[in-house]
Amino acid sequence: DQQVKQNSPSLSVQEGRISILNCDYTNSMFDYFLWYKKYPAEGPTFLISISSIKDKNEDGRFTVFLNKSAKHLSLHIVPSQPGDSAVYFCAALRETGANSKLTFGKGITLSVRP
Amino acid sequence: GAGVSQSPSNKVTEKGKDVELRCDPISGHTALYWYRQSLGQGLEFLIYFQGNSAPDKSGLPSDRFSAERTGGSVSTLTIQRTQQEDSAVYFCASSLAGVGAFFGQGTRLTVV
Repeated sequence: DQQVKQNSPSLSVQEGRISILNCDYTNSMFDYFLWYKKYPAEGPTFLISISSIKDKNEDGRFTVFLNKSAKHLSLHIVPSQPGDSAVYFCAALRETGANSKLTFGKGITLSVRP
Repeated sequence: GAGVSQSPSNKVTEKGKDVELRCDPISGHTALYWYRQSLGQGLEFLIYFQGNSAPDKSGLPSDRFSAERTGGSVSTLTIQRTQQEDSAVYFCASSLAGVGAFFGQGTRLTVV
């Protein structure tokens, strides 16, 4: 049972345009949602997060939106740059002390065309 | 070091052999995770350590897999009697709290 779903395996956008990466989840008890970025042959790197009590978090070109009623979040990258080309993982966390763990989606490959 | 360190970076082993993968987390981080990524797949949770609590082993795929964390710091993931389906990149991550866990570069395991 996948609790975090990234239904689109890939996305291609033109440089300068907006990239919108989507993520859906099934567990309404998640406390935080995170996005990670991964380049080939490297470990994932933390990009941005949002608390479940917020609906928006912005950091430079990256904005994450959370719609709790729809159990949906999205990452917006504006403007997109070729260096943004990578695999993006959506992740969710429920803080229950000893049993907390990050649950990841399958990832989406973003290609930004020059 | 400043980041999460994993060793070896690459490991090729024969089917049936045991392997040990090592993770040095960021100093002071109480939470430590192991994940793996098989070819074309997402990040699969394996095991989670938090402080002195019993680890969450719910993601270990079989009893051939085990992990320990000594002194709340270094962790080793052991795979016994390796099989070809164990081939993957194994990532370790650590954090002070769940948010913003930092990943190592991974160990690429190839079972031939």
